Amino acid sequence: DSGVTQTPKHLITATGQRVTLRCSPRSGDLSVYWYQQSLDQGLQFLIQYYNGEERAKGNILERFSAQQFPDLHSELNLSSLELGDSALYFCASSVDPGARYGYTFGSGTRLTVV
Amino acid sequence: GENVEQHPSTLSVQEGDSAVIKCTYSDSASNYFPWYKQELGKGPQLIIDIRSNVGEKKDQRIAVTLNKTAKHFSLHITETQPEDSAVYFCAAANNAGNMLTFGGGTRLMVKP
Repeated sequence: DSGVTQTPKHLITATGQRVTLRCSPRSGDLSVYWYQQSLDQGLQFLIQYYNGEERAKGNILERFSAQQFPDLHSELNLSSLELGDSALYFCASSVDPGARYGYTFGSGTRLTVV
Repeated sequence: GENVEQHPSTLSVQEGDSAVIKCTYSDSASNYFPWYKQELGKGPQLIIDIRSNVGEKKDQRIAVTLNKTAKHFSLHITETQPEDSAVYFCAAANNAGNMLTFGGGTRLMVKP
């Protein structure tokens, strides 16, 4: 157990629907990162939050949004889902806004859009 | 921004052989270089890291080397075992509070 908790582990939904993925960072970590990993692909950075504030944005679609709450958990909202959104979604956390001590990843949410 | 290139994208070795994965980075200010191992269906896990004030670091069968002048670093796995089969990611970051930049990943297959 890495200490980063992601729920749900698996999600199957239909095109056009909206889903919410949840992440609880490791205790003491203030920064949360969201990554998308499609089949046999690398880690595509989506967005970063630090202590409740958005800090960096990657290749995140306008249909996707995220937020970090006062208790530091984060949610990634995916709407108007398309077949191509099927992927593994990972959350990672770190103690600082940068990467001086690396990241700790969760076990991911596997999203299947049918 | 930082750019990290990783080679090869796939690597197949016989059990007991050594495996080497190489990465190059573009930002000379980068000073932290972690390696992550991702097993099938799981999240990436940190296996070893190195900072720019050292040239080599070892942990049992794995080692990482860093050449700051050439801006490249490598992961070495000796006496490979089937359980080493996974996707390996290199990454780089600097002290400016920037995020990790990941390489594209290497799928390592160890054949028994």
